[in-house]
Amino acid sequence: DIQMTQSPSSLSASVGDRVSITCRASQNISSYLNWYQQRPMKPPELLIFVASSLQSGVPSRFSGSGSGTDFTLTISGLQPADFATYYCQQSYSTPFTFGPGTKVDIK
Amino acid sequence: EVQLVESGGGLVQPGRSLRLSCTGSGFTFGDYVMNWVRQAPGKGLEWVGFIRSKANGGTTEYAASVKGRFTISRDDSKSIAYLQMNSLKTEDTAIYYCTRNYANQYWGQGTLVTVSS
Repeated sequence: DIQMTQSPSSLSASVGDRVSITCRASQNISSYLNWYQQRPMKPPELLIFVASSLQSGVPSRFSGSGSGTDFTLTISGLQPADFATYYCQQSYSTPFTFGPGTKVDIK
Repeated sequence: EVQLVESGGGLVQPGRSLRLSCTGSGFTFGDYVMNWVRQAPGKGLEWVGFIRSKANGGTTEYAASVKGRFTISRDDSKSIAYLQMNSLKTEDTAIYYCTRNYANQYWGQGTLVTVSS
């Protein structure tokens, strides 16, 4: 199975900050990497698919990059609605494993 | 508008069975792979499995933690995907979400399954 790790596990930031979250796969997953945002008590929402494609309706301050084993989610100009937990997931091969999550909270 | 609505959750004793349903609307249900993802209380996301569209064989894949106990099926005439859960364990306690596409493009609100004696 492909293992997914994320760093950091949590971070504190201020409104307007630029934030980056890293996701690493235990083997090459090409660009089959998705990013999700989950606000408290809500279902997750897809932000980015195939590493860098922005899901329709998602603000352009979210961007994704990377391929192979190393990926990054960047939020340029953090907004109050962005304080949430972020998960990566590989959809290269089953089981489609998720990363453990990165919690972004207010500094 | 794409909508997914899960139902069928509740409290069940260990060893018993439960069937969840996921009703889709706003899209041609039969054209899409449908997934189940779960989240234990206070924990992260865990992929449970999926069922491919009939055009792609209608086959299923499962996580090792549920393989042999859980079965995913679909009734495209009713736009419903099912998750049949047998031999339930306390560690199956979670919110169960259904999603559409391999990239989980759309999510339902989830249904809570509590396995406890």
